[in-house]
Amino acid sequence: IVLTQSPGTLSLSPGERATLSCRASQSVSISRSDSSTQLAWYQQKPGQAPRLLIYGASSRATGIPDRFSGSGSGTDFTLTISRLEPEDFAVYYCQQYGSSPGTFGQGTKVEIK
Amino acid sequence: QVQLVQSGADVKKPGASVKVSCKASGYTFTAYYMHWVRQAPGQGLEWVGWINSNSGDTNYAQKFQGRVTMTRDTSINTAYMEVNNLRSDDTAVYYCTRDQWLRFLFDYWGQGTLVTVSS
Repeated sequence: IVLTQSPGTLSLSPGERATLSCRASQSVSISRSDSSTQLAWYQQKPGQAPRLLIYGASSRATGIPDRFSGSGSGTDFTLTISRLEPEDFAVYYCQQYGSSPGTFGQGTKVEIK
Repeated sequence: QVQLVQSGADVKKPGASVKVSCKASGYTFTAYYMHWVRQAPGQGLEWVGWINSNSGDTNYAQKFQGRVTMTRDTSINTAYMEVNNLRSDDTAVYYCTRDQWLRFLFDYWGQGTLVTVSS
């Protein structure tokens, strides 16, 4: 499955809303155990490892603030950051993990305008 | 708390080998698979392979088969990845990351190890 993220770069100001898109080349698998869609989002800051934000398309990982939300199904997914904080400026990757080996999108950079 | 601590940066010449370590703490090492993911400078994330930390079974991405070997030492909760016959395009940060049920969902990551291949 190929994941295409858009836009490549998003230039926004702190306090603004960020909407990131991830489109899959075919429908992302649904887990048989919990019926969740197997799509995740990660945040990566410069010089740091990726951090899991969202799994199951819409569930926040442990410790992730509620300004981060995920939505979507099938082939179209969205990560929304309701109000950008200074620490949210980073690169975001979507990943499908329903079909081995769990491919990543190419990333969206959220930069300060 | 869960921690994955990797070995330090390394510089190798083309054709050489490199072995990166990943020491786990804060959880039951053998209950999780360990994956390795790499990131070339300025590029995205590329899956390299996984090792079953309990059995030692491995699976590698096709492009790395024959050049990558993953092992583990359960006595010291450490996973290893060795890459042979290094090329310049192997220059990347290599991350270890854990996955409980082989779902390819990665909840904790090591800090990364920069491997530079240069003559």
